[in-house]
Amino acid sequence: GQQLNQSPQSMFIQEGEDVSMNCTSSSIFNTWLWYKQDPGEGPVLLIALYKAGELTSNGRLTAQFGITRKDSFLNISASIPSDVGIYFCAGQRAGNQFYFGTGTSLTVIP
Amino acid sequence: NAGVTQTPKFQVLKTGQSMTLQCAQDMNHNSMYWYRQDPGMGLRLIYYSASEGTTDKGEVPNGYNVSRLNKREFSLRLESAAPSQTSVYFCASSMDRSYGYTFGSGTRLTVV
Repeated sequence: GQQLNQSPQSMFIQEGEDVSMNCTSSSIFNTWLWYKQDPGEGPVLLIALYKAGELTSNGRLTAQFGITRKDSFLNISASIPSDVGIYFCAGQRAGNQFYFGTGTSLTVIP
Repeated sequence: NAGVTQTPKFQVLKTGQSMTLQCAQDMNHNSMYWYRQDPGMGLRLIYYSASEGTTDKGEVPNGYNVSRLNKREFSLRLESAAPSQTSVYFCASSMDRSYGYTFGSGTRLTVV
């Protein structure tokens, strides 16, 4: 299946710090999504990106659709304890299923 | 607003037993999906149903069957459970395949 590589695998940061993570693919995608999964719950959609170069924000979260269409980036500003969880990227080629990355686990230290 | 509801939340099976995981959505979505989540593997698609009356295999369909009972319900069946099927199973739905998915809260299955 399609491989999406997320980096880093895990992060431990102090409350208030900014966070950056990315997702790369060997294939071109038409759509990128970013999800967050809290412990014991299903993933929840944070941001959807539909156009190369697109920059979209959702509160303290900002995501970008890479120019090459093979990558996407997620930034979280001024992290807070409730940002803890696993962040997944998902990419889709036209008419196909979404492929999910392996996730970035975020721990925020108060 | 329930969204996507999965039952049961937890299940322990013995090797060789069968069971059906249930999923229902109340958002009038056309497409429904079953994923499994394993440590370090992310979410892998088992089966999906693009619309009522159709089902297709995903990345890891072996050992599973599905039924799209109606527009709301999409079940996943394990005919003869194996320890390799120990996982967390998520059902999801979307308006169509181009839209982001809404996930259920998962079923944690252990096969011993």
